[in-house]
Amino acid sequence: QVQLVQSGTEVKKPGASVNLSCKASGYTFTSNYMHWVRQAPGQGLEWMGMIYPRDDSTSYSQKFQGRVTMTRDTSTTTVYMELSSLRSEDTAVYYCVRDNWVFDYWGQGTLVTVSS
Amino acid sequence: ETVLTQSPATLSLSPGERATLSCRASQSVSSYLAWFQQKPGQAPRLLIYDASNRATGIPARFSGSGSGTDFTLTISSVEPEDFAVYYCHQRSNGPYTFGQGTKLEIK
Repeated sequence: QVQLVQSGTEVKKPGASVNLSCKASGYTFTSNYMHWVRQAPGQGLEWMGMIYPRDDSTSYSQKFQGRVTMTRDTSTTTVYMELSSLRSEDTAVYYCVRDNWVFDYWGQGTLVTVSS
Repeated sequence: ETVLTQSPATLSLSPGERATLSCRASQSVSSYLAWFQQKPGQAPRLLIYDASNRATGIPARFSGSGSGTDFTLTISSVEPEDFAVYYCHQRSNGPYTFGQGTKLEIK
């Protein structure tokens, strides 16, 4: 069965970077785009960008352009999302989401807290 | 970007009643509209894709309709487990966007 298992909770100071991971299993890793979506406390869902593991191509929301980098490791079927220059507004739960022409599987989410 | 506006923000109903949730897009998204359900502390769950197709394992009481800019999610008879927040989502126009959510609460 398809599983997306994300890395654990992070606490960062303003200005730092965070690197989150999402390990995929149960399907052909290189066949599907993977997206990152975040949710600030008590707020809605926000799309950040996507990566195609087959060729490492990416597309980012303009809001995060210059601060976000998505990569993948095909040997471990893992995608990574690095967000830099963190500020308090980046405090959120970050989800990886498989794209099968629909957002059909979601990771369990990783809480990132940015606080001095 | 395509803005999705959901209404109402909160819907108060009793179990057994019919729920009608609306999602309006600022420009056409064709039929590339999905609905998700989210319960506290959980990741969103896909309910409906391409405006009217139920995802695997979703009960028949959930249905979706619409195309272009106006979409509706209907729960024919609300069950206790349906009280949650519902989001619409479009993948027609970049960047992908979500509505702000409708909270379905117990009356």
